[in-house]
Amino acid sequence: KAGVTQTPRYLIKTRGQQVTLSCSPISGHRSVSWYQQTPGQGLQFLFEYFSETQRNKGNFPGRFSGRQFSNSRSEMNVSTLELGDSALYLCASSLGQQVGEQFFGPGTRLTVL
Amino acid sequence: GQQVMQIPQYQHVQEGEDFTTYCNSSTTLSNIQWYKQRPGGHPVFLIQLVKSGEVKKQKRLTFQFGEAKKNSSLHITATQTTDVGTYFCACRRNDYKLSFGAGTTVTVRA
Repeated sequence: KAGVTQTPRYLIKTRGQQVTLSCSPISGHRSVSWYQQTPGQGLQFLFEYFSETQRNKGNFPGRFSGRQFSNSRSEMNVSTLELGDSALYLCASSLGQQVGEQFFGPGTRLTVL
Repeated sequence: GQQVMQIPQYQHVQEGEDFTTYCNSSTTLSNIQWYKQRPGGHPVFLIQLVKSGEVKKQKRLTFQFGEAKKNSSLHITATQTTDVGTYFCACRRNDYKLSFGAGTTVTVRA
């Protein structure tokens, strides 16, 4: 069974731009969560989707948004990028909603210049 | 909001020695998970603890959930170089919100 895939793996953007990251969960998994990982802040929860609905949200500004499609694939969007948005963005999928083991993808390394 | 504290932040261990990392939540938990992230890699699930006082073992790793379901520990015996990485606890509240600890980064000297 293929693991969680994320595209792109690396991205360089400039301040003020917007970016869309994509995540394909493991086949059969319906829950997708997004995390931001930085050296200083560790793993910060962004949001969790299940059956195309956002079920949980972390403490991030409205510039961070996401959605989930009917095939469980998910995208997250960051608008008006700031230097502090430079981070590794990790996506994790799990079978059910809000419970159980999460399988992480390799992440997208975003650099904002 | 929920606060999760993980200590120590860094653990430098002599190969063959034991060590323990601790995870403490400010709120009672539904369950707690532990993940390991190797340098340059992504977090990988190790274990989930659900019951009060639960103890689970995986070879040299022993995981424990506190009686009050607010804290947990991971104890590694006879540390090996393969144990290098960052160990995260992930705390699930009763309202299902999930918070990760800052992690304990382990280095091993041979």
